[in-house]
Amino acid sequence: SSELTQDPAVSVALGQTVRITCQRDSLRNYYANWYQQKPGQAPVLVLYGENNRPSGIPDRFSGSSSGNTASLTITGAQAEDEADYYCNTRDISGNHLLFGGGTKLTVL
Amino acid sequence: EVQLVESGGGLVQPGRSLRLSCVASGFPFDHYAMHWVRQAPGKGLEWVSGFNWNSGSIDYADSVKGRFTISRDNDKNSLYLQMNSLRAEDTALYYCAKEFLSGPAGHLVTHDALDVWGQGTMVTVSS
Repeated sequence: SSELTQDPAVSVALGQTVRITCQRDSLRNYYANWYQQKPGQAPVLVLYGENNRPSGIPDRFSGSSSGNTASLTITGAQAEDEADYYCNTRDISGNHLLFGGGTKLTVL
Repeated sequence: EVQLVESGGGLVQPGRSLRLSCVASGFPFDHYAMHWVRQAPGKGLEWVSGFNWNSGSIDYADSVKGRFTISRDNDKNSLYLQMNSLRAEDTALYYCAKEFLSGPAGHLVTHDALDVWGQGTMVTVSS
């Protein structure tokens, strides 16, 4: 079955740049969507497609993809960016949505 | 305001059934694919079921196929999840979510992203 693999935890110093990755178990090029989830809250879509931000998402959030790895980059991380981040896409069959296991981002 | 409100969760014994509901407001419900996503306590997100925008089919995660049934009533702006033969591993917060579409009218495309989420309804399966 298809899987999306994320590092469980990543940390970044306040104001610095951090990249969170999402690796797919196939070599097919793909783009991932990204969600931010803070404790006790529902997920929020922060990036979709190749590198698109929904309305209201700060431009310090950007996305990229290379081979079987999609990335979310936060340039100039803020304290309020501390959260869990999840990637998602559709599996190769096209029948199932997939979510990565999530990355807990700590802003130091 | 675009909003999704789930209900129907609760404590249920293994093997029993439960029906979740999600009422949508603030957008043309019948124009969008809808999904259920769950999150076990302290764990990550798991897609459960949804309407496939591209194929028009209904899809299920392997973990719930044959036990859960998704449906919708566009007249009532409502999404449902009928859950049968519940197991302890189905214990989770169940979210209703709307699929995001972008592009000009008549040329909408999906990125398989979910842009509106409810606050979730908790399902606990335990004896």
